[in-house]
Amino acid sequence: GAVVSQHPSRVICKSGTSVKIECRSLDFQATTMFWYRQFPKKSLMLMATSNEGSKATYEQGVEKDKFLINHASLTLSTLTVTSAHPEDSSFYICSASGERVQETQYFGPGTRLLVL
Amino acid sequence: RKEVEQDPGPFNVPEGATVAFNCTYSNSASQSFFWYRQDCRKEPKLLMSVYSSGNEDGRFTAQLNRASQYISLLIRDSKLSDSATYLCAVNPRESSGDKLTFGTGTRLAVRP
Repeated sequence: GAVVSQHPSRVICKSGTSVKIECRSLDFQATTMFWYRQFPKKSLMLMATSNEGSKATYEQGVEKDKFLINHASLTLSTLTVTSAHPEDSSFYICSASGERVQETQYFGPGTRLLVL
Repeated sequence: RKEVEQDPGPFNVPEGATVAFNCTYSNSASQSFFWYRQDCRKEPKLLMSVYSSGNEDGRFTAQLNRASQYISLLIRDSKLSDSATYLCAVNPRESSGDKLTFGTGTRLAVRP
């Protein structure tokens, strides 16, 4: 199957700092990557869609200056949570789709962010 | 009306039972449909795609009813290891590319 990795798996940071999360497709080229966040016992909420080499498309209500997304290559996308606050604490999950896995999204293992 | 709706459950069933979940979607132009399984504090994992003709994978059967705009997942001979949250996902519009809209998930608990 298609493998997506995510790093770090868990991060604890102080309020006001920035946190970068990496998402990599390991065995396929991901033309599109998606970033979600999930609160406990809630569904996945799509934050943004990123295509390699172009600006990310953000969902309504998601601040693009706060959640910076870069999709620099066909195997790597990064999400940077800038000036994190406690309310940004959540489970952030990326997924990827591409030529080999058209229409289907494969998820990374997620990053648990705790902002103190 | 939400784009994708699921009964949150939980569905509590004994081992060996057959259980079915439905998921309704609002956009009749939706193109692709999927079932994902999510374990507690883990990422969703693709369980199966849902095809117009229906498809089966071992104990799991998925069906699509375009007229009534819902998809279903049937699990036969439930195992303890089937306990998880089952998310349906729908590609709502052709122009949205690979973007998926997820339901809130249905929780299944299989007891001994």
